[in-house]
Amino acid sequence: QQQVKQSPQSLIVQKGGISIINCAYENTAFDYFPWYQQFPGKGPALLIAIRPDVSEKKEGRFTISFNKSAKQFSLHIMDSQPGDSATYFCAATNPSNTGKLIFGQGTTLQVKP
Amino acid sequence: EPEVTQTPSHQVTQMGQEVILRCVPISNHLYFYWYRQILGQKVEFLVSFYNNEISEKSEIFDDQFSVERPDGSNFTLKIRSTKLEDSAMYFCASSQTGNTEAFFGQGTRLTVV
Repeated sequence: QQQVKQSPQSLIVQKGGISIINCAYENTAFDYFPWYQQFPGKGPALLIAIRPDVSEKKEGRFTISFNKSAKQFSLHIMDSQPGDSATYFCAATNPSNTGKLIFGQGTTLQVKP
Repeated sequence: EPEVTQTPSHQVTQMGQEVILRCVPISNHLYFYWYRQILGQKVEFLVSFYNNEISEKSEIFDDQFSVERPDGSNFTLKIRSTKLEDSAMYFCASSQTGNTEAFFGQGTRLTVV
């Protein structure tokens, strides 16, 4: 019940295309869903996050879509750029207030010029 | 912009030796964490720390691990007797509360030989 399942494992997109990464969770107590971007040799950097009281959140080219009934959420990267090439992790946390993040397995995105 | 800083960036140690990984969290944050990432795998939660005590720990965080906040700025992870399988990137993170954005450091690459 503590897992977050992420797909696909890897993704290749042409420059200007839309990148879509999906995550699913089981624990309905999760109430905070961030996405992190990680470049090789660097720490995860918070990209965008959503709480389950909204179905969508957009920040620039990045959008999270959230489906509470299906227990799924996804990251959409519009107009993908080569600089977006990185590993993306979804995560979830529950209101136990310890702040523990449970990460998905990660998606390696390559945006081809 | 405030950031989490970690030292050293890379540590090589002999199996059985003790190591201490150091972190300076963001100054107004109250929650502190350690995560681990084995090469090519997902980020795994180790421990969360609040109000000078451990608030949650994972199964990975056994008796060989300990954390400490020795002063008002540093947060350390000690591994008492390192094993080969402890080789990984270790990330420190901090957040203002247990249910808000966590910011990660650049990581310490620990290599046990």
